[in-house]
Amino acid sequence: DTGVSQDPRHKITKRGQNVTFRCDPISEHNRLYWYRQTLGQGPEFLTYFQNEAQLEKSRLLSDRFSAERPKGSFSTLEIQRTEQGDSAMYLCASSLGRSGGSYNEQFFGPGTRLTVL
Amino acid sequence: DAKTTQPTSMDCAEGRAANLPCNHSTISGNEYVYWYRQIHSQGPQYIIHGLKNNETNEMASLIITEDRKSSTLILPHATLRDTAVYYCIVRVFQGGSEKLVFGKGTKLTVNP
Repeated sequence: DTGVSQDPRHKITKRGQNVTFRCDPISEHNRLYWYRQTLGQGPEFLTYFQNEAQLEKSRLLSDRFSAERPKGSFSTLEIQRTEQGDSAMYLCASSLGRSGGSYNEQFFGPGTRLTVL
Repeated sequence: DAKTTQPTSMDCAEGRAANLPCNHSTISGNEYVYWYRQIHSQGPQYIIHGLKNNETNEMASLIITEDRKSSTLILPHATLRDTAVYYCIVRVFQGGSEKLVFGKGTKLTVNP
């Protein structure tokens, strides 16, 4: 257990439905990342928050995807009008951004596995 | 970020050292080498990182060649719990977003 939790762990939905995932990072971590992982591939970066500000988004994050981190604590990732191609593991990671030249390792949650039928 | 090349899979006997290679021939002077691993059904886990000197921590050792074009992650006494996919990542450590760009990694199987 890394201290990063994700909910739900599994989600099965029908094509066209909206889904929302939640990530609770390690409490003092100011940085939060979302990644997506499909079978046999490494995780792919989706988006990054520093505190409540969304500072970077991948081109993978189409307009059907939206992420928030309203108070700089937990984060949500919503997918609207799901498609079968959205089926994947959605991973959340957090890190403590510190200045001074030290690498801030990312701690990953267990992921939410989405299946779109 | 420089591209990395890793073998698709490797096997290792329990108790022996596991040596996982990574080629990064286009690495530039300010790019670091990072290793993460992912045990089945879990999120990735940080192992170690380095720039040009060899590094060691409680999990592993990282050996980087003098020309920095390749590196080896060493698990000194592999256990069954080390069976995982190991990712070698090369990127600039620049603060700000420290997003990770994963390849397909090496699937290490530790056999009893």
